[in-house]
Amino acid sequence: DAKTTQPTSMDCAEGRAANLPCNHSTISGNEYVYWYRQIHSQGPQYIIHGLKNNETNEMASLIITEDRKSSTLILPHATLRDTAVYYCIVRGAGNNRKLIWGLGTSLAVNP
Amino acid sequence: DGGITQSPKYLFRKEGQNVTLSCEQNLNHDAMYWYRQDPGQGLRLIYYSQIVNDFQKGDIAEGYSVSREKKESFPLTVTSAQKNPTAFYLCASSTYQGQSEAFFGQGTRLTVV
Repeated sequence: DAKTTQPTSMDCAEGRAANLPCNHSTISGNEYVYWYRQIHSQGPQYIIHGLKNNETNEMASLIITEDRKSSTLILPHATLRDTAVYYCIVRGAGNNRKLIWGLGTSLAVNP
Repeated sequence: DGGITQSPKYLFRKEGQNVTLSCEQNLNHDAMYWYRQDPGQGLRLIYYSQIVNDFQKGDIAEGYSVSREKKESFPLTVTSAQKNPTAFYLCASSTYQGQSEAFFGQGTRLTVV
C-alpha cells in the first residue's frame, strides 16, 4: 500500500492561496489520491480526489505531477474556517478500497 | 438528509466492561469502516466491511469486534481485551464500486476510567 508524506504544519495568511504538498512516491498506477480535512474533534471532511489529471471543485484544486509521485492541494482564498488538519491519502485499488492515512498537515490560517 | 450517524458523541465506561458504538448510514453505501484516532495522530483502520455479512480486520483489530447484519448498520464493540480503549472512534461509509469518496460520521469519544 502506498504511503504519503506531508509537512507537519503550515501557515497561511487569510485571503491568500494555501498550497499543501504531498509526496506519494510509491503510488501504483490504479491508486487515487484523496484529500480530506479534519477540524478539531470532528469527523474528516472530503475535499477532492484525482488519478492523474488536475481536478477542481468548489472547495479546492488538486495538482498531480506527471509522474504521479506528488501532488498539491490548493485552497485559492484561505479563510479562518480553513484552519484544520489536511490529510493526503492514497486509496487502495481493486477489492481493497480502504483509505491509508498519514499524520496530515496542520494548516493555520492567520488573520 | 442522507448521512452517517454515530452515537453517542461521548461515552464513558469502567475498565473491564465491553461497550458498543453505533454507526448507521442512509446513503445506501456498500462499504463501511471503523477508525480509531489518538491525540496528534492520523486515523488507524480497525475493521471494514465491503458487503453485508462480511468484514475484514484492519491494522489494529485486536480487542475489537464488529457485525454487519444490515447494510445500514456497522456496530463496533470495544471489548475488555482492548488494552488502551480511550480514543476517538470514527465510522465511515463509501460505495463499493468506483472511486467515490468516503463519508464520515462525527465520531464517538470513548473514555474508559
